[in-house]
Amino acid sequence: AQTVTQSQPEMSVQEAETVTLSCTYDTSESDYYLFWYKQPPSRQMILVIRQEAYKQQNATENRFSVNFQKAAKSFSLKISDSQLGDAAMYFCAYPLAQKLVFGQGTRLTINP
Amino acid sequence: EAQVTQNPRYLITVTGKKLTVTCSQNMNHEYMSWYRQDPGLGLRQIYYSMNVEVTDKGDVPEGYKVSRKEKRNFPLILESPSPNQTSLYFCASSLWGREQFFGPGTRLTVL
Repeated sequence: AQTVTQSQPEMSVQEAETVTLSCTYDTSESDYYLFWYKQPPSRQMILVIRQEAYKQQNATENRFSVNFQKAAKSFSLKISDSQLGDAAMYFCAYPLAQKLVFGQGTRLTINP
Repeated sequence: EAQVTQNPRYLITVTGKKLTVTCSQNMNHEYMSWYRQDPGLGLRQIYYSMNVEVTDKGDVPEGYKVSRKEKRNFPLILESPSPNQTSLYFCASSLWGREQFFGPGTRLTVL
């Protein structure tokens, strides 16, 4: 079965510090996308960053970057200079045909 | 602005009273989908559509209907809602195999 695993149910970080959220996945595909979504208290699902598997360069979006290790099937999210507005549930996701397969989520708390 | 809209955002209803949650996207995406999110169960796909008049069941389709008469619209219909359908519902759209863009969510309570 193709799955996505987030092994950290909760994480906390001091404001302005850096935090890394882990994600591993299992797929038999050779070309695919991977995503991180953020779900703040408003419950909106917001795309944070995407990575194309055939690209060796890690994706970056402002303070958000990924460490993509294709051979290890690992896709971690690094948040630099954490801000209070980063507090949310973070979901790693992988598109499997007609749907997104989500990890269980990591709840990120930002300590002021 | 590119977006997915859902209405209503909040709904409290009673068992057996038919309801429709509307979903519309303005990005000309072929693919649309409905998910429900429940504590401890994550997001589960209810139905999806690959194009106009093409719909198929997801992981938890029981008790739901959908239709896709226009490319931009993908309503979710609960013909006889029951309390176990109390949940947070998301509509999403995308290009095939790409990131999905989500609506703001509809919080449904069935009494």
